[in-house]
Amino acid sequence: LAKTTQPISMDSYEGQEVNITCSHNNIATNDYITWYQQFPSQGPRFIIQGYKTKVTNEVASLFIPADRKSSTLSLPRVSLSDTAVYYCLVGDQGNTPLVFGKGTRLSVIA
Amino acid sequence: EAQVTQNPRYLITVTGKKLTVTCSQNMNHEYMSWYRQDPGLGLRQIYYSMNVEVTDKGDVPEGYKVSRKEKRNFPLILESPSPNQTSLYFCASSHLRGNTEAFFGQGTRLTVV
Repeated sequence: LAKTTQPISMDSYEGQEVNITCSHNNIATNDYITWYQQFPSQGPRFIIQGYKTKVTNEVASLFIPADRKSSTLSLPRVSLSDTAVYYCLVGDQGNTPLVFGKGTRLSVIA
Repeated sequence: EAQVTQNPRYLITVTGKKLTVTCSQNMNHEYMSWYRQDPGLGLRQIYYSMNVEVTDKGDVPEGYKVSRKEKRNFPLILESPSPNQTSLYFCASSHLRGNTEAFFGQGTRLTVV
């Protein structure tokens, strides 16, 4: 399993763009990069997944450089409701268990 | 509606009294997993299962048992609960392929006194 490193916490004001970077230096060829969001006392929720380059959906964008050793989750114009813990996972879900780290606690301030 | 259902949502029990937390999914997922979440420790995996009759230990399996007799169900069994098993528990499921997403249950808050 590829080990991931992400900041423990981040603060942002409402309306700003937030970028959370995850390092995964030993990512394997078959590994995907997946981000989950978790609100207090709720189960994590899938946000976005990518393999390379850029992926965008209605919630976020995921930027993956060519070497795939890191990735950046971008949340445009955050609101108070985006306050949550964000987890970066790297792995091949076809063969390996889903293991979470401690995530990044994002606090959005009015 | 695609979902993972855990029961009960809340449970207070006494030390040593066997209990089972149920988990059921309706998405025909091969993979299922149990996690516990404690303040400052993130989500720690207890057990996981890649398919029926196939289970493996996660990072913190001591004091827990699981079974996977049917594809849709993955119960978590605490044979003799202790206060250090007081925690928030989540069940998850997904398909077994590289580009997939996991679905989580609503959580079970267990207190052992």
